[in-house]
Amino acid sequence: QKEVEQDPGPLSVPEGAIVSLNCTYSNSAFQYFMWYRQYSRKGPELLMYTYSSGNKEDGRFTAQVDKSSKYISLFIRDSQPSDSATYLCAMQASGGSYIPTFGRGTSLIVHP
Amino acid sequence: KAGVTQTPRYLIKTRGQQVTLSCSPISGHRSVSWYQQTPGQGLQFLFEYFSETQRNKGNFPGRFSGRQFSNSRSEMNVSTLELGDSALYLCASSLSLASPNEQFFGPGTRLTVL
Repeated sequence: QKEVEQDPGPLSVPEGAIVSLNCTYSNSAFQYFMWYRQYSRKGPELLMYTYSSGNKEDGRFTAQVDKSSKYISLFIRDSQPSDSATYLCAMQASGGSYIPTFGRGTSLIVHP
Repeated sequence: KAGVTQTPRYLIKTRGQQVTLSCSPISGHRSVSWYQQTPGQGLQFLFEYFSETQRNKGNFPGRFSGRQFSNSRSEMNVSTLELGDSALYLCASSLSLASPNEQFFGPGTRLTVL
């Protein structure tokens, strides 16, 4: 079992839908939780960053962390075709080697 | 402020050859990390350099190596290429890897091994 599990999809939704992307993890030492967006032929760009548990909202994006369940989510409201990309979750411990662990990414397709 | 640049963007090599990839971080960033991205394994950490010293290393064979120069530019080298080394190699720069919310990725170098 990988340390971070993420369904690769693809996830296809109509424009305007609410999208839910999820990751589960096994390492209880993870304290930093990130979501990256990667467009085709581009490098990942940081979308959301959360430390420890709780929710964080930024425009149409909401990140949730449930450390008791070892489960994180990214919600996208009013999805747009421009949101079509691969979304990667990443996690990192707060001490030690600081090496981040990434999920495999979920491919999202928002069709008009 | 200019972003992270990687050269070359695309590379085709044959088995047994070696390859050198280059990364120029964002000005002022002293940490450069390298990652390998494949469809099967996703994004995997290779190593991190800070102030010309390798600080962290992922679980890759010794054929993968790197270095960082005094101007923070970094190179990674893969010797004796294997078919399985075909991947997107990404470089990320940050002030420090201990600041996960400050890591910026380059566009990557697409390596194809024939």
